[in-house]
Amino acid sequence: KQEVTQIPAALSVPEGENLVLNCSFTDSAIYNLQWFRQDPGKGLTSLLLIQSSQREQTSGRLNASLDKSSGRSTLYIAASQPGDSATYLCAVTGNQFYFGTGTSLTVIP
Amino acid sequence: ETGVTQTPRHLVMGMTNKKSLKCEQHLGHNAMYWYKQSAKKPLELMFVYNFKEQTENNSVPSRFSPECPNSSHLFLHLHTLQPEDSALYLCASSQVPAGGLIDTQYFGPGTRLTVL
Repeated sequence: KQEVTQIPAALSVPEGENLVLNCSFTDSAIYNLQWFRQDPGKGLTSLLLIQSSQREQTSGRLNASLDKSSGRSTLYIAASQPGDSATYLCAVTGNQFYFGTGTSLTVIP
Repeated sequence: ETGVTQTPRHLVMGMTNKKSLKCEQHLGHNAMYWYKQSAKKPLELMFVYNFKEQTENNSVPSRFSPECPNSSHLFLHLHTLQPEDSALYLCASSQVPAGGLIDTQYFGPGTRLTVL
């Protein structure tokens, strides 16, 4: 069964810093990998989706990379802002989604 | 209305109560999902409905009973729940092509359930 792990579980950084969130998965036979953002008590919002044939995707200050062979993905956030504070979840997909436990990010003004 | 909506947003119930959670998607998708999100755990997929047919039941206790009357509506009927069932219940929808591989899912805001 696919297992998805996210490190660190929590991260606190001062505003303006660049940061990296990590995601690893055990089965490299994935269809795609997706990064979501979840605000407290809310649903999930899709940030970036990387197809299995791709290596990275970028959206604004966010950049996600995928290394299928090693079972890893990173989410890079440039010039962090207090509004980036949320939980970030990665999910790998095949015929269903497998989620990690998330990284709780706090950006301190 | 846009996206995926869920009602109620918050629910407190006793162990002997019967209640229902409702989800509605306005995206024209053909598949809908129920997830359970507990503290410090990954999202747990509970049920999947594809073209109104239940295609997945991940060993969910019978005190949770899903219903999908059409491709836009999904219910989760609850009865005789336990305190450990307290969690955020998320509904999602997606468009599943013929090959069966999911591209992305769209999530509702969730129902925060507390069982006393």
